Amino acid sequence: QAQLVESGGGVVQPGRSLTLSCGTSGFTFRSSTMHWVRQSPGKGLEWVTLISDDGNIKNYAESVKGRFTISRDNSKNTVYLQMHSLRADDTAVYHCAREEIYYDTSGYSYWYYDLWGRGTLVTVSS
Amino acid sequence: QSVLTQPPSVSGAPGQRVTITCTGDNSNIGTGYDVHWYQQVPGAAPKLLIYANINRPSGVPDRFSGSKSGTSASLAISGLQAEDEADYYCQSYDSSLSALFGGGTKLTVL
Repeated sequence: QAQLVESGGGVVQPGRSLTLSCGTSGFTFRSSTMHWVRQSPGKGLEWVTLISDDGNIKNYAESVKGRFTISRDNSKNTVYLQMHSLRADDTAVYHCAREEIYYDTSGYSYWYYDLWGRGTLVTVSS
Repeated sequence: QSVLTQPPSVSGAPGQRVTITCTGDNSNIGTGYDVHWYQQVPGAAPKLLIYANINRPSGVPDRFSGSKSGTSASLAISGLQAEDEADYYCQSYDSSLSALFGGGTKLTVL
């Protein structure tokens, strides 16, 4: 059974750093593009970043660009999120999610998230 | 404030039908981008419910259905059951094909 399990969350002071991990099992990790999506307390979902299956393509939301870095280790079936210069508004549950590609009738490719983890809570507070 | 607008809450009695709307604009849904729907029970991982506007992954009951028209999409749940009580989120894309989410709708089964 495919599974994603996040870890590494905790309470951290503003300006400090934290690294999250997302361990995976039950599917071919090296063939999957992976994303991090966060959810602020009582609020909705916000896309954070993605990494392609081979790690060569990385995209970031403007809100985290220059502060967060996504990486992966295909030998360990794990994706990471390094977070630096943390701010109070980074406080959220961070979910990792697997991307599934599909094609519309015109042949354009799109994607959705077909597998999510429960998330790990990051609290940025002094 | 989410770019895709959903009602904060909806409710219905067991057996009834409810609809959750997701309203965007001509920079996202109105461009023709598809909409996907996720269900999240508090404390659990989100779960894919509908993809590409109308498609149900295997294992999702046919009580759940999706539609899209113009700048909006809808998720309908018929024959409401207590286990349907959860938060529901729509997802589409912005002009750079980054994910856009709705603010979420809390479904209460009365």
